[in-house]
Amino acid sequence: SQKIEQNSEALNIQEGKTATLTCNYTNYSPAYLQWYRQDPGRGPVFLLLIRENEKEKRKERLKVTFDTTLKQSLFHITASQPADSATYLCALGPQGGGATNKLIFGTGTLLAVQP
Amino acid sequence: GAGVSQSPSNKVTEKGKDVELRCDPISGHTALYWYRQSLGQGLEFLIYFQGNSAPDKSGLPSDRFSAERTGGSVSTLTIQRTQQEDSAVYLCASSLVLGFDEKLFFGSGTQLSVL
Repeated sequence: SQKIEQNSEALNIQEGKTATLTCNYTNYSPAYLQWYRQDPGRGPVFLLLIRENEKEKRKERLKVTFDTTLKQSLFHITASQPADSATYLCALGPQGGGATNKLIFGTGTLLAVQP
Repeated sequence: GAGVSQSPSNKVTEKGKDVELRCDPISGHTALYWYRQSLGQGLEFLIYFQGNSAPDKSGLPSDRFSAERTGGSVSTLTIQRTQQEDSAVYLCASSLVLGFDEKLFFGSGTQLSVL
């Protein structure tokens, strides 16, 4: 069955450093991958989308890579700030194939940026 | 409103009771999703509505769960004869469906606790 793995342990880094979060998947060939941020008590908020024919996407301090051979996506936050502390979810789609927008979500990685 | 609205934000019920959870999507969004998030787990897909098409109910965990979407807008998720394992955060999301990789906009969820 389809499976997504994200760092299960919290990632603690120092302010100003680059945070790198990993998303690995198996038994699946997604057409696209999305990253979301989730704060406690809130729903996830969309950050970035990358398609299967794209290697890298950037948005301000965020960068996402997508390696369909390794079945892996890396999510980078450069010059990290305490305000970046949150849980980050990766999501692959479409679930079940076809032209739908159903996403499979990973369990998320908790990022803590220390001042 | 500008975002996806869910109510109630918290619901405590007794085992065996029925509950209804409401979702008001962003105006103009044709797709609506329900996900469930249990503690330490990823988001679990429940059901997907797209326009006037038959809903994709493939994620509903049992026949105690049902959902409807009236007039292509508001959706209600109903759980009959609630069980303790139904305790979770129920998240609703909506999206445009211009392509098939549109980002999802989530509500803040309903925290359901079954005693």
